[in-house]
Amino acid sequence: DAGVIQSPRHEVTEMGQEVTLRCKPISGHNSLFWYRQTMMRGLELLIYFNNNVPIDDSGMPEDRFSAKMPNASFSTLKIQPSEPRDSAVYFCASCFRGKQPQHFGDGTRLSIL
Amino acid sequence: GENVEQHPSTLSVQEGDSAVIKCTYSDSASNYFPWYKQELGKRPQLIIDIRSNVGEKKDQRIAVTLNKTAKHFSLHITETQPEDSAVYFCAASGEAAGNKLTFGGGTRVLVKP
Repeated sequence: DAGVIQSPRHEVTEMGQEVTLRCKPISGHNSLFWYRQTMMRGLELLIYFNNNVPIDDSGMPEDRFSAKMPNASFSTLKIQPSEPRDSAVYFCASCFRGKQPQHFGDGTRLSIL
Repeated sequence: GENVEQHPSTLSVQEGDSAVIKCTYSDSASNYFPWYKQELGKRPQLIIDIRSNVGEKKDQRIAVTLNKTAKHFSLHITETQPEDSAVYFCAASGEAAGNKLTFGGGTRVLVKP
């Protein structure tokens, strides 16, 4: 069984550039979560979707961040424009709605120069 | 919203000894408590979880206890081995919160051979 698939695994870009992170949840899972992990703030939930609909985006830092889930097998997290403080590891996780546990992808390590 | 505190932040034990990590949570409606292990550069992986209708759960060398009255839960690792060295995260969630996980700050465990 394929797990949660994220791409790219690493991204290095200059500040001001647009960054797009991608996630494919486990087939059949209908809840999808985006997390950000930093040394200072730990694991933070940014946004989550149920059945492709955003339910809670209260963790999204600011308007520079946006997330979409156009279908049950794909989600994107976009940062535009990117800033050095956005440097972190971004994880995507999925589960069956209302049923834990969440399964994490391998993450995208983002570095904004 | 939910708040999860985790202690200690670092834990060093001798191989073969036991390790205990404690977490407290604030929302009495929380009913699911997973523990994740994260090795350096890897994704968080679920190692054990417990639901609020159970007070204790064990899986080989790992056990979790839950005290709903006091709102705290603990991870116990017995007969520690060097491969147990990692960062461990506790989390809490509940249906009222849409099953989103709130993570503790993590415990870095070092098992010395």
